[in-house]
Amino acid sequence: AQKITQTQPGMFVQEKEAVTLDCTYDTSDPSYGLFWYKQPSSGEMIFLIYQGSYDQQNATEGRYSLNFQKARKSANLVISASQLGDSAMYFCAMRGLTFGNEKLTFGTGTRLTIIP
Amino acid sequence: NAGVTQTPKFQVLKTGQSMTLQCAQDMNHEYMSWYRQDPGMGLRLIHYSVGAGITDQGEVPNGYNVSRSTTEDFPLRLLSAAPSQTSVYFCASSYTGKRNEKLFFGSGTQLSVL
Repeated sequence: AQKITQTQPGMFVQEKEAVTLDCTYDTSDPSYGLFWYKQPSSGEMIFLIYQGSYDQQNATEGRYSLNFQKARKSANLVISASQLGDSAMYFCAMRGLTFGNEKLTFGTGTRLTIIP
Repeated sequence: NAGVTQTPKFQVLKTGQSMTLQCAQDMNHEYMSWYRQDPGMGLRLIHYSVGAGITDQGEVPNGYNVSRSTTEDFPLRLLSAAPSQTSVYFCASSYTGKRNEKLFFGSGTQLSVL
């Protein structure tokens, strides 16, 4: 079974500072993918970044980077130079990449508020 | 491209009524799924499908039925609505078997059961 844990229900960060959102996971799949999604107040789900369990380097997408520590089973999202538009819910998710394990499981989310 | 089309956007039901939430995608995705989102609980998987004719249960399947007769469509049926099913529902789809197969989400359905 897969399990995603996000231990920070809410965070407040000053604008232009960097922020780290925590995510730990548990799975028995030998091969898996980790995702981060953003949900602004409008309700849409926006894909941010992906990390494969077999990737040698940490993923980066613009101001987003994923601090992947496989041995510790953590996949923290780092947002550099935060902006007011980053205020939203953030969800960590994972899915297995082997046949029969394709379902994607989400954590409970972190509400990030950027303070001007 | 239409992407994932989910209807209706809003729905109010009385306890015991039945209804179907529609979901269609035009990306030829094998994988389709339904989630419900409740405050403080994230997105919980209801049912999913890895192809036409194949469905499986997620974390919270009770009270919901699904079928997958075509690749494009994956409707979610509430046979006898209960107040506990008040939630926001999302349909999502993706390819399978490949790396970095992110989910594409519909715009959501806000369902209230009175």
